[in-house]
Amino acid sequence: SQQGEEDPQALSIQEGENATMNCSYKTSINNLQWYRQNSGRGLVHLILIRSNEREKHSGRLRVTLDTSKKSSSLLITASRAADTASYFCATVSLIQGAQKLVFGQGTRLTINP
Amino acid sequence: DAGVIQSPRHEVTEMGQEVTLRCKPISGHNSLFWYRQTMMRGLELLIYFNNNVPIDDSGMPEDRFSAKMPNASFSTLKIQPSEPRDSAVYFCASSTRTSSTGELFFGEGSRLTVL
Repeated sequence: SQQGEEDPQALSIQEGENATMNCSYKTSINNLQWYRQNSGRGLVHLILIRSNEREKHSGRLRVTLDTSKKSSSLLITASRAADTASYFCATVSLIQGAQKLVFGQGTRLTINP
Repeated sequence: DAGVIQSPRHEVTEMGQEVTLRCKPISGHNSLFWYRQTMMRGLELLIYFNNNVPIDDSGMPEDRFSAKMPNASFSTLKIQPSEPRDSAVYFCASSTRTSSTGELFFGEGSRLTVL
């Protein structure tokens, strides 16, 4: 069953604006990851935030995690047309010493030039 | 590094036929995952292996689906018999516990169409 639920399902903004996507989940996690998927391609890892972290930055990406609310957000600043893609959060738990990643439904982001 | 390699990239088959999807993980990775992606259901985790051992196959839809990992460099996902509702993109991904990021590396997927 799906763990994370992304919000919104689709987002369309103008180039240069910031894009914010949210992810909610239901059970305890070891860490949470965000991935990007271009049309017709496999998913690519963007950033990981551990359960004891509250915020993390990587380039134009900023991720927050609130374990009390079981939610995370991904902010892309100064968006570019090349950021057009689907973005997924993945909740990670440890099962028998192995990481289990369960993905949400994703947010389809469109950046208009 | 070659990345995760999946084959075939596209497969069109008729209902009732057997389908075998193949995956070669990144060398040195010890965890392998199979996902299925559809518009309706999103990305579903079917099964994952750690050190070639299946850890959790609760996502496998039904007995028509089976997966094997005979060695660290090869895995198969088999559907027998196939049905139109199995049409989807099937992704294989690998990771290593020693990775500081714990990230998954995905293949480009196998697009299956069952007529």
